[in-house]
Amino acid sequence: KAGVTQTPRYLIKTRGQQVTLSCSPISGHRSVSWYQQTPGQGLQFLFEYFSETQRNKGNFPGRFSGRQFSNSRSEMNVSTLELGDSALYLCASSLWQGPTGELFFGEGSRLTVL
Amino acid sequence: EDQVTQSPEALRLQEGESSSLNCSYTVSGLRGLFWYRQDPGKGPEFLFTLYSAGEEKEKERLKATLTKKESFLHITAPKPEDSATYLCAVQARNYGGSQGNLIFGKGTKLSVKP
Repeated sequence: KAGVTQTPRYLIKTRGQQVTLSCSPISGHRSVSWYQQTPGQGLQFLFEYFSETQRNKGNFPGRFSGRQFSNSRSEMNVSTLELGDSALYLCASSLWQGPTGELFFGEGSRLTVL
Repeated sequence: EDQVTQSPEALRLQEGESSSLNCSYTVSGLRGLFWYRQDPGKGPEFLFTLYSAGEEKEKERLKATLTKKESFLHITAPKPEDSATYLCAVQARNYGGSQGNLIFGKGTKLSVKP
C-alpha cells in the first residue's frame, strides 16, 4: 500500500513569491492535515480537510490556504512568501474513524525562502 | 492555553542503557495522547495512543504510560536503531471533530551509541 506522497520534496523561492505544495493521501483515506515544522516551533497544525471541506484551521495568517479535491488529494498554497515561512511542510492522512490520533505522514516538502 | 512540553531535549544513551522520556501537558480536557517517532528527513511515524490515566501500551523495547499530567516513554535496553526524535502530541476534547488537529511537543532527540 503506497504511503502519503508529497511533491515537490525540495524547493527554493524568494520573498514575495507564492508556492503550491501537493499531497496524495493513502488510498481510502479521506482526511488530510497539513503541518509546518520548524526547529524553533516544532510541528504546528495548519489545517485539515475532509470530503473537500476544511474541518479545522490552525493559527496561521490568511496567506496560508489549502484545498482538497474529490479524489482526496490536497494542495496548500502560501502567498507573499516571507523568510519565516522557510520550513518543512508535512501532510498527513487518516481514516475518518474518530479521533485516534493515528496520522500517516508524508516525507514533507522542504521550503527555503531567500 | 493547551500545550505540550517534552524533556529532555536531547538524550544520549549507550546501547542497553534503559531510560525514560517525559511529556508534560496542559489541555482543556484530554481526548488522547499520542507518541510518534521521527527519523531525519522523514515524516513522523505513529507509535501509540493513550486515552486515560493509568493506561499503558508496549511495542518492542518501548512502553508508554499516562498520568493526569504527563506521559512517559520508557525505552528498555535500547539499540542504535532506536535513535530518532520522539514526539508527543495531545488532542483536546474540544477538537472540533478534526482528526488531525494535534498539539505537538518539540520532541526529544535520542541517540543510542553502540
